[in-house]
Order: sequence, then C-alpha cells, then structure tokens
Amino acid sequence: DIVMTQSPDSLAVSLGERATINCKSSQSVLYSSNNKNYLAWYQHKPGQPPKLLIYWASTRESGVPDRFSGSGSGTEFTLTISSPQAEDVAVYYCQQYYTTPYTFGQGTKLEIK
Amino acid sequence: QITLKESGPTLVKPTQTLTLTCTFSGFSLSSGGGGVGWIRQPPGKALEWLTLIYWNDDKRYSPSLKSRLTITKDTSKNQVVLTMTNMDPVDTATYYCAHQRYNNAWYPFGYWGQGTLVTVSS
Repeated sequence: DIVMTQSPDSLAVSLGERATINCKSSQSVLYSSNNKNYLAWYQHKPGQPPKLLIYWASTRESGVPDRFSGSGSGTEFTLTISSPQAEDVAVYYCQQYYTTPYTFGQGTKLEIK
Repeated sequence: QITLKESGPTLVKPTQTLTLTCTFSGFSLSSGGGGVGWIRQPPGKALEWLTLIYWNDDKRYSPSLKSRLTITKDTSKNQVVLTMTNMDPVDTATYYCAHQRYNNAWYPFGYWGQGTLVTVSS
C-alpha cells in the first residue's frame, strides 16, 4: 500500500496568514504516460462529507476559491491556503488515487487563532 | 447534477452482517460511467478507503478488509451495495459512498453522499 503522511497534524493561523500543509507518499504517484500526479486534497467539516478541493496535485476543482492551491510532484506535495478565512476551519486530507488501495493521509486540522 | 445517498441500518450487533446501499443519480454505472467507492471514518479518526466498483464490474478491496467486504452494483436501479460481514465495535463509523469520474483519465472522488453513521453494539 502507498502510505500518505501529512504534516503538521494541526495548524493554527491568524486570519490572512498563509497556511501550508504537507503530504508525502511512500512511493511516487506520478503516472508517466500522462505526466499527472494522482494526488487529491479534500476539506472535511463536521457533519458534512469531504469536499474535493484539488486534483492531479494542482488542479483546482470547479467552484473552489483561488486562495486554495496545490503543488508538488512525485512523492512530495503541498496544499497552500493563501489567506485563510473563518470558513476554512476544517480537517484537510491528501489522498492518492494512483493505485488501489487508495489511501488517505491522517489529516491536518486547521484552526484560526 | 450528481447525487449519492447512503441507506441502511444505524445499529448492528457484533458478528452481524452490515448491508449498505448507495443510491445515485446524475450518472450511470454502465459503459464509461466511472466508479463508485465506499469510504468510512471512525469517530475522531481519519478517512479510510474500503472498496470500489467500476462501470465494467471490476472490483477492488482494501487488503485488510477484503475477506469481509463485498461490493455489487445494480445498474437498472442506479445502486451500489456494500456488504461487510462479522461486524465489530471497531467498525463503528460514518460510511460514505462517492463517485469517481473517468474522462480520458481517472479523477478522485468528486461527489460524495452525506454519509451514514453505523454503530456496532450489543
């Protein structure tokens, strides 16, 4: 199985302060035939289903605010929230969909100071 | 518009078999319709992928749970059914079904059901 490891486990930022969440995979999720990284980021709020934010490591899902961005390739990835808002308080997960079993990171809890 | 909804028991006893149904609309699991997966989240823990069924009836399972899981689809009813045998209190979780799209390449789970909390207790 591909192990996904996120850091940090929790993050507290002030309104408007950049938030950065890291994700490492135990093996590459870059598919050579199409040069796409099969890495997604989700936002999960209590009582709601997870919401897809980013796919292929850096493509923003339709309707997702542009303060959310993804970067990285191979085994190391980053989700950046440029200016977090109060509504961004949630747990964020990375997930590889390169191969089954699909695997998620352990989650990063974002709080606003 | 794609929607998914999970249904099934909210309480099962240890050793019993859990059957959950995902009823969906807005896409078809016939030719080229992508896939439907099940993901769960125990209280206070991370998301865990369980299983996935593709439009061509190919099925994938979590290795750690493979012996207990069965996934099937009924394209005429737009439903996917998850069966998990020998339930244990550690299987207490919110169970989600989700759609995985295919369009020249696989996408992640873009649409999710609201989830259903299943408690395992005697």
